[in-house]
Amino acid sequence: QVQLLQSGDEVKKPGSPVKVSCKASGGTFSNYAFSWVRQAPGQGLEWVGGIMPVLDSATYAQKFQGNVTITADESTSTVYMELLSLRSEDTAIYYCARETTVTNWFDPWGQGTLITVSS
Amino acid sequence: QSALTQPRSVSGSPGQSVTISCTGTNSDIGVYNYVSWYQQLPGKVPKLMIYDVSQRPSGVPDRFSGSKSGNTASLTISGLQAEDEADYYCCSYGGIYTYVFGTGTKVTVL
Repeated sequence: QVQLLQSGDEVKKPGSPVKVSCKASGGTFSNYAFSWVRQAPGQGLEWVGGIMPVLDSATYAQKFQGNVTITADESTSTVYMELLSLRSEDTAIYYCARETTVTNWFDPWGQGTLITVSS
Repeated sequence: QSALTQPRSVSGSPGQSVTISCTGTNSDIGVYNYVSWYQQLPGKVPKLMIYDVSQRPSGVPDRFSGSKSGNTASLTISGLQAEDEADYYCCSYGGIYTYVFGTGTKVTVL
């Protein structure tokens, strides 16, 4: 049974970067793909991007291209999402979610990490 | 990559059926049979309810069903129960390892 444990909530200033981690336990990390999903306060779910660690290949939603970097560390079974230069509109809960290399749905999800951007 | 279109809200009395539509394009729903649905209770993490258009994961009640026609997918909740009151989101694969979510629908049990 795979479980995803994300890093803790953070408060950051505009223009600063933030790196959120998502550690997978259980299962075979190389069999999985991982996505990051954003939910702004009171808003819906938004796919940010994803990575297949076995290919070390990340893709991003057009909206987030250039502002987000997703990486994976197979040695620690951890996936990372770095927001490079925060703006107030990046304030949101960020979830990581697992797929497999042959499936196209998200299950399970991490518990979510709240990133608050405030001066 | 515009969000898939869902109704803002639907409602029904206990025991009734409700259907949530999810409209995409020929680049996502119309091309791929990789539509999934997620239930999000207030303050909780989204939960997978349907995958691959109409498949139900183990543990999801059989009153939840999914279908697709053309560029529109649908989630039907039959025999609505109070515990089904939540936000529901569709999601479609969009090719080249990209995904797009729907705008979300609030289901209210009257």
